Amino acid sequence: DAGVTQSPTHLIKTRGQQVTLRCSPISGHKSVSWYQQVLGQGPQFIFQYYEKEERGRGNFPDRFSARQFPNYSSELNVNALLLGDSALYLCASSLERVNQPQHFGDGTRLSIL
Amino acid sequence: AQSVAQPEDQVKVAEGNPLTVKCTYSVSGNPYLFWYVQYPNRGLQFLLKYITGDNLVKGSYGFEAEFNKSQTSFHLKKPSALVSDSALYFCAVRETGGFKTIFGAGTRLFVKA
Repeated sequence: DAGVTQSPTHLIKTRGQQVTLRCSPISGHKSVSWYQQVLGQGPQFIFQYYEKEERGRGNFPDRFSARQFPNYSSELNVNALLLGDSALYLCASSLERVNQPQHFGDGTRLSIL
Repeated sequence: AQSVAQPEDQVKVAEGNPLTVKCTYSVSGNPYLFWYVQYPNRGLQFLLKYITGDNLVKGSYGFEAEFNKSQTSFHLKKPSALVSDSALYFCAVRETGGFKTIFGAGTRLFVKA
C-alpha cells in the first residue's frame, strides 16, 4: 500500500504570496493532521481533520487554513506568507481511533524569500 | 496543558553499547505516548506507543520504551546500538480522548562504529 503522499516536495515563494500544499492519506485512513517543523525543532500541530470536519487547531494565525475532501485527501493553505513560515510542512494520517499512531509523509519544504 | 521534554539535544554511543533517549511528559489524565524517528529529508516514522498495560513496550527495529507513571517518563532504549540507528528521535504525547499530539524538540542520536 502507498504511504502518505505530499506535493510538492519543495516550494519557493516570496513574502506576501499564497501557497497550497496537498496531502493524500493512506487508504482507509480518515484522519489527517498537519504539522509545521522549523529547522531544529519538533513538529508543531496546526490542524486535524476527520470526516471532512476540523477537529482541532493549534496556535497558528488565521492565515493558515485547511480542508479535507470526500476522498479524505487534504489541502493546507497559507496566505500572506512571512519569512517565518519557512519550514517543513508534514501531513500525517491515522485510523479514526485517537490512540493509533500517525503515519507521516515526507513533507513539503517551503522556503520564503 | 500537555507538554513533552527531551532533556538531551544529542546522545552519543558506541556501536554495540546500550542506548537511552530520555523523555518526560505532562498531561492531565492518562497519556498516550509515542516515539518516532526521523531520517534526513524524510517524514517521521512510528517506532512504538504506550496506551495502557505493561510498562515496558516493545517496538520496531529492536527499540523498547519504559513507561514510569510516578516519574512521568517514557525513555526509549535499545540493548545494542547500530550505526544505522543514528537519526533524530521524537517523543510525543496525546491526552486520552484528545486530538492534539504534542512533540518534544527531538534528540539527535549518534552511534559511532
